[in-house]
Amino acid sequence: RKEVEQDPGPFNVPEGATVAFNCTYSNSASQSFFWYRQDCRKEPKLLMSVYSSGNEDGRFTAQLNRASQYISLLIRDSKLSDSATYLCVTSNMDSNYQLIWGAGTKLIIKP
Amino acid sequence: NAGVMQNPRHLVRRRGQEARLRCSPMKGHSHVYWYRQLPEEGLKFMVYLQKENIIDESGMPKERFSAEFPKEGPSILRIQQVVRGDSAAYFCASSLGVMAEAFFGQGTRLTVV
Repeated sequence: RKEVEQDPGPFNVPEGATVAFNCTYSNSASQSFFWYRQDCRKEPKLLMSVYSSGNEDGRFTAQLNRASQYISLLIRDSKLSDSATYLCVTSNMDSNYQLIWGAGTKLIIKP
Repeated sequence: NAGVMQNPRHLVRRRGQEARLRCSPMKGHSHVYWYRQLPEEGLKFMVYLQKENIIDESGMPKERFSAEFPKEGPSILRIQQVVRGDSAAYFCASSLGVMAEAFFGQGTRLTVV
């Protein structure tokens, strides 16, 4: 079982819709959580950190569910520019705090 | 505060030559990660370094590949005797410390001809 699992997609979503995807992690000792986005042939860019209490940044909301060991990302009022691959990242002491990456979820926003 | 700087952005090498990829982390960052990515594939972890120390090199091939992060200067990923299969995008990321978010450079695209 992979340490961090994501549905690879693609999620095909009409512009303006709300989309959500989850990421599950296997190590209950995971302590840090992040969402990144990666555009085709570009470097990954930090989208947001994920805090225990959940956090929101404009149209983006991230949640952490420690009991079920997953994090989620919700995108409201999706834009064409939201089309990208979304990567989930965690770290824990067992991995020497190295960042553990999911393989990513591909999102395609259609006009 | 400049971001993570990688150079060169593009590198062409003939089979059997050496490739040296450089990564200057963000100011104050002492942790560096190297990743490799093939087209349409995910990031593959290669090595995690802190200043002067290799913390985890489990993703790096045992032969031909080496990495360093000296006390002064950039982190270097070195590939000796390159083969066509080494062609890929190599990304470097740096972070302030353990459990901190990482910031990426724009990558070096290596093409072996």
